[in-house]
Amino acid sequence: RKEVEQDPGPFNVPEGATVAFNCTYSNSASQSFFWYRQDCRKEPKLLMSVYSSGNEDGRFTAQLNRASQYISLLIRDSKLSDSATYLCVVNIWPGNKLVFGAGTILRVKS
Amino acid sequence: EADIYQTPRYLVIGTGKKITLECSQTMGHDKMYWYQQDPGMELHLIHYSYGVNSTEKGDLSSESTVSRIRTEHFPLTLESARPSHTSQYLCASMRGGALSGSTHNEQFFGPGTRLTVL
Repeated sequence: RKEVEQDPGPFNVPEGATVAFNCTYSNSASQSFFWYRQDCRKEPKLLMSVYSSGNEDGRFTAQLNRASQYISLLIRDSKLSDSATYLCVVNIWPGNKLVFGAGTILRVKS
Repeated sequence: EADIYQTPRYLVIGTGKKITLECSQTMGHDKMYWYQQDPGMELHLIHYSYGVNSTEKGDLSSESTVSRIRTEHFPLTLESARPSHTSQYLCASMRGGALSGSTHNEQFFGPGTRLTVL
């Protein structure tokens, strides 16, 4: 079983739609959680950290459920520019390596 | 914008050649990483370093080697390139710390080197 599992998609949505991505992790010692974004043929870049209480950054909302070992990312009012691969990332104690999920592909169409 | 650089950006080379992919960062980060990623596929960690003179193998077995003589520099070497080494190689660095939910754990990635071995 992979340490971080994501639905690969692709998610094909129209502009303005709300879309949610889910991610599960297997190691209960995981302590930090992130969503990264990777554009086609580019390097991954941090989208947002995920805090225990949940957090929001503009149109993006991240949630963490430690009991279920589950992370989510909600994107509201999707834009064409949101089209990318979204990587769920977990940092496991003692925190020297990040474990990346395989990514979920989002395609926003006009 | 992250201060992490990789050269060359693109490399096409023949089988059997020795190559070194360069990675440098000016952020003073102790931790550095090499990932391998094929098109449309997931990232695979192949090497990492906690600091000068520290190197570890990653989760994916690789015939490459790395060195960390200076904090800012983490080159990757292939002694004899083969077509199976064709891939994108991404270098990353991290400030360190293990605080929950902290951006201290953010990894900054270089732009990558696209390697093609003929």
